[in-house]
Amino acid sequence: GIQVEQSPPDLILQEGANSTLRCNFSDSVNNLQWFHQNPWGQLINLFYIPSGTKQNGRLSATTVATERYSLLYISSSQTTDSGVYFCAVERGGANNLFFGTGTRLTVIP
Amino acid sequence: DAGVTQSPTHLIKTRGQHVTLRCSPISGHKSVSWYQQVLGQGPQFIFQYYEKEERGRGNFPDRFSARQFPNYSSELNVNALLLGDSALYLCASSHRVGSPLHFGNGTRLTVT
Repeated sequence: GIQVEQSPPDLILQEGANSTLRCNFSDSVNNLQWFHQNPWGQLINLFYIPSGTKQNGRLSATTVATERYSLLYISSSQTTDSGVYFCAVERGGANNLFFGTGTRLTVIP
Repeated sequence: DAGVTQSPTHLIKTRGQHVTLRCSPISGHKSVSWYQQVLGQGPQFIFQYYEKEERGRGNFPDRFSARQFPNYSSELNVNALLLGDSALYLCASSHRVGSPLHFGNGTRLTVT
């Protein structure tokens, strides 16, 4: 299967700081999605972004499919941003998502 | 609108028993997928159903089975439970195959 690597594995930020999370994948993909899993285990879809750039409030994402990576930007971080961020990719037109190893973000007040 | 709903939220079973997990997709979504998330790892794909037909299956043993009903809800069944089946089981729905996934809150299964 396709390999999905995320960096950094862990990140601690002061509230108000900005951060960039990276996702590298080993092969061409049909789509890429970013998820946030909060401390209670709830997995929220942040972006569906097979290519290009999207923005949603303080979050934005960029996928460069030809170079097989995606970036998630978090600006003016808040304590509610804490949790694990997953990148997931899909090949073949199905909903068989391959999830990355995740980045655990902790935002301290 | 209600999101993806899963039941039960928590479950404790004994090795060798059988379990059925249930999922109701977002209204209008015809595709349901199941994922297993072991502590400390990302979710792993188990099954995908679209229009009541299996469209994809992950690398899981035959003890795992699923089905989708005419109202697009779904069940995941696991037979002969093993300790290693202890995990968070997540259901996700989408409008169609390949569109954004929306996950439920999961069922946390503990096998003792």
